[in-house]
Amino acid sequence: GNSVTQMEGPVTLSEEAFLTINCTYTATGYPSLFWYVQYPGEGLQLLLKATKADDKGSNKGFEATYRKETTSFHLEKGSVQVSDSAVYFCALSDSSGGSYIPTFGRGTSLIVHP
Amino acid sequence: KAGVTQTPRYLIKTRGQQVTLSCSPISGHRSVSWYQQTPGQGLQFLFEYFSETQRNKGNFPGRFSGRQFSNSRSEMNVSTLELGDSALYLCASRPEQGIYEQYFGPGTRLTVT
Repeated sequence: GNSVTQMEGPVTLSEEAFLTINCTYTATGYPSLFWYVQYPGEGLQLLLKATKADDKGSNKGFEATYRKETTSFHLEKGSVQVSDSAVYFCALSDSSGGSYIPTFGRGTSLIVHP
Repeated sequence: KAGVTQTPRYLIKTRGQQVTLSCSPISGHRSVSWYQQTPGQGLQFLFEYFSETQRNKGNFPGRFSGRQFSNSRSEMNVSTLELGDSALYLCASRPEQGIYEQYFGPGTRLTVT
């Protein structure tokens, strides 16, 4: 079956530091990959996505590249802000078994200090 | 377009009671999924409805049920509440079945005492 593994949190950084949140996946098909973000007291919202190998998704300064050879989709940002403090979820979706239900990782909490 | 809305936002119930949560998807979206989010288990898929039919179901007991109406609005019901049902219940919609991103509502925070 499909699975997504994220690095354990919390990740604690100072403002303007470089961010990497690791995500690796296992999938039976050819999945699309997503990063979602959840701010305190809110639901998840899509941050970025990539639908095929070597695609790079980007949004709000965040980037992630679909690496099929390493089955990874690591999230990066060059300079984090306090407002980036949130929980980040890596997810995949494919057509295995006729179901397109996404598989989510456990989430990684990011805390950014001024 | 208005986003996914969920009502109520907060709910406190007593063990043994039942509860109904409501979700209105984005206009035009026919697929609605429900998730349970807890600190211990993370985000767990409950079920998905598409055009009033349950298409997929997660690994939850029969106390958890749902339905979808012709206008795509969805409700989920939990009967005989247990303390462990305390969680954030998230609803998500997408336009069709297939590999599409999901649009989440703000969730309903259920506390069972």
